[in-house]
Amino acid sequence: NAGVTQTPKFRILKIGQSMTLQCAQDMNHNYMYWYRQDPGMGLKLIYYSVGAGITDKGEVPNGYNVSRSTTEDFPLRLELAAPSQTSVYFCAALGTQFTEAFFGQGTRLTVV
Amino acid sequence: QQPVQSPQAVILREGEDAVINCSSSKALYSVHWYRQKHGEAPVFLMILLKGGEQKGHEKISASFNEKKQQSSLYLTASQLSYSGTYFCGTPGAHGSSNTGKLIFGQGTTLQVKP
Repeated sequence: NAGVTQTPKFRILKIGQSMTLQCAQDMNHNYMYWYRQDPGMGLKLIYYSVGAGITDKGEVPNGYNVSRSTTEDFPLRLELAAPSQTSVYFCAALGTQFTEAFFGQGTRLTVV
Repeated sequence: QQPVQSPQAVILREGEDAVINCSSSKALYSVHWYRQKHGEAPVFLMILLKGGEQKGHEKISASFNEKKQQSSLYLTASQLSYSGTYFCGTPGAHGSSNTGKLIFGQGTTLQVKP
C-alpha cells in the first residue's frame, strides 16, 4: 500500500498563477485533509472532507478550493497564487475509527 | 479553536524525562499525538479516547483528562531519536461523536542531546 501520495513534491509558481496539488489515498479512508505548514510553525487546516462529495472549510481556507469526487482523491486548487501561500502543504487521510491519520510526504510550494 | 500546547520547546539530555501538555477550550472526544522530524511528514504516535482507552507507542505514554479537556504526553528515559516536534491533534466533538475536523496545536520542539 502506498498510503497517501502527493504530487508534485516541489513547485515554484509566479504570482498570479494557478495550480492544483494532487492527493490520492489507497486506504479507503473517508476523511481527508489539507494542511499548510509555514517554516517553524504548526499545521494549519485549510479544508477537509468527510466523504466523497462533502467538503468543509478549515482554519485558513482563503485563496484555496477543493473538490472530492471520489473517496481516493482530494485535490487542492490554488487560484491567483500569492507570496503568502509559500509553504509546505500536507495532505492526510483518516479512517472512520479516528485511530491514526496518515500524511503524504508534502508539497513544498514557493510563490515568487 | 486550536488546542494550546506547552511548553513551546524543551531541551533534554539522553535519559531525562519530559512532559508535553495539550489543552482545548472545547470538549474533546479524543486526542491524537504526532511527531514530526525536520523535513518530514508528521507520524502518528498515539491516540487517547474518551473513557481512558489508549492506543499507540510502546515507550511513550499519555494521559487524557476529559473534564479538564487536557492531555499530556510523557517521554521517559528520552533517546536521541525522540528529537522532533510534537503535535497534539483534536478531531473535534459534537456530543459524543467526532466531527472529523482534525486541528493541531502549535507544536512543541523537543531536542535530546547526548
